[in-house]
This record gives sequence, structure tokens and C-alpha cells, in this order.
Amino acid sequence: GEDVEQSLFLSVREGDSSVINCTYTDSSSTYLYWYKQEPGAGLQLLTYIFSNMDMKQDQRLTVLLNKKDKHLSLRIADTQTGDSAIYFCAESGGFKTIFGAGTRLFVKA
Amino acid sequence: DSGVTQTPKHLITATGQRVTLRCSPRSGDLSVYWYQQSLDQGLQFLIQYYNGEERAKGNILERFSAQQFPDLHSELNLSSLELGDSALYFCASSEDIGDTEAFFGQGTRLTVV
Repeated sequence: GEDVEQSLFLSVREGDSSVINCTYTDSSSTYLYWYKQEPGAGLQLLTYIFSNMDMKQDQRLTVLLNKKDKHLSLRIADTQTGDSAIYFCAESGGFKTIFGAGTRLFVKA
Repeated sequence: DSGVTQTPKHLITATGQRVTLRCSPRSGDLSVYWYQQSLDQGLQFLIQYYNGEERAKGNILERFSAQQFPDLHSELNLSSLELGDSALYFCASSEDIGDTEAFFGQGTRLTVV
């Protein structure tokens, strides 16, 4: 079945870049998403990429997609303490969206 | 504020009981999704409704059921509750079915004691 995997933790220093990685199994995925969850809040869509794209940049966020390897990454430039949250990778190829378990990003001042 | 409203925010109940979680989607959104977020299983898709009809089913237990009403709000019913059902239950909505942006509510934290 479909599966999305991502590492559970990432720790970076303030001002550094963060790279969160994700792999997925469904080759028919059409959209790939990155969501952010802050403590006590629901998920918020950060950005998404169509499966026919390799890269998408949105201010401090860069999404890279390697469709051959089914690998998605999210780079956050100049990481701030306010970026501390859980980041979920998700893929969708039809009616339902499958989420990874989430990567908890710790930003050290 | 995503525009998706979930009630209640917190719920504590005993094993064996039944609860109903409610979701009001964003104005104009026809699709509603339910997810369960637990520590050991991460975020799991449960079920999706579109304009009142069930569209997709994920890892939803038989003890759980959902429905979407004509005014498009949705309810998730959890019965014969077990300790392992303790989790955050999220509702999300989107304009259409399929691959469109979904907006999440803040979740209902269910604690089964």
C-alpha cells in the first residue's frame, strides 16, 4: 500500500538551513505536500508541488522532488526559532492524502 | 484561523463509551476528511466525505463511523472506546475532491480513561 516515511527529529541552529527529507512509495502521486503543525494547533499547508515539477521555491522554503527516487525534501533557509514545529510530508494521487509521521524540528538559539 | 471548526476541543471519557466529534468545514468546501493523530501511529487518514457521500476510506475501525449532513458539517462517531483510541482527531476540508489544498481544524483531543 501507499506509505510515506520521514525521519522523526531534526535539530538545527538558528540562522542555519534545515533540510527535512521524505520518501514515498506511490508512483501515481500527483501532488506532494508539506504541512506544519505548531503545538496545540492543526496542520497548516506550507507548500505543495506537482509531481511533474522538480523544484518549487517560496520565500525561505525550497521543495525538491526526485520522482525517480520518490524523494521529497523541504529546505528552510535562515531557520528561526519560530520554525520549531512538526513538519509533515504528504502525498496524494486520488481521493485520499497519505501523511508521513512528521519530523519534529528543534531550532536552537 | 483555517476556517474549519471542530468541537469539542477536549474530551475525556471512559472505556466502553461512545462519543461524537463534530466538524464544520470552511464555507464553500464540499469535502471533509477525518484523521487520527496518535503518538505511535502518526497521522492516519480515516475517511472522506464529499457533498454528503462517502468517497474514500482509510484505516477506520468498524467501531468508528462518520457522516456528512446536508449542511456539509460532519460528525465522527467513536463507540466501544478503548484506551488505544486516545488521540487527536483532526478534520480537514477542501473545495473539491482529490488533489486540492486541505485546511485543517485544530483537532479534538480525546482521552479514554
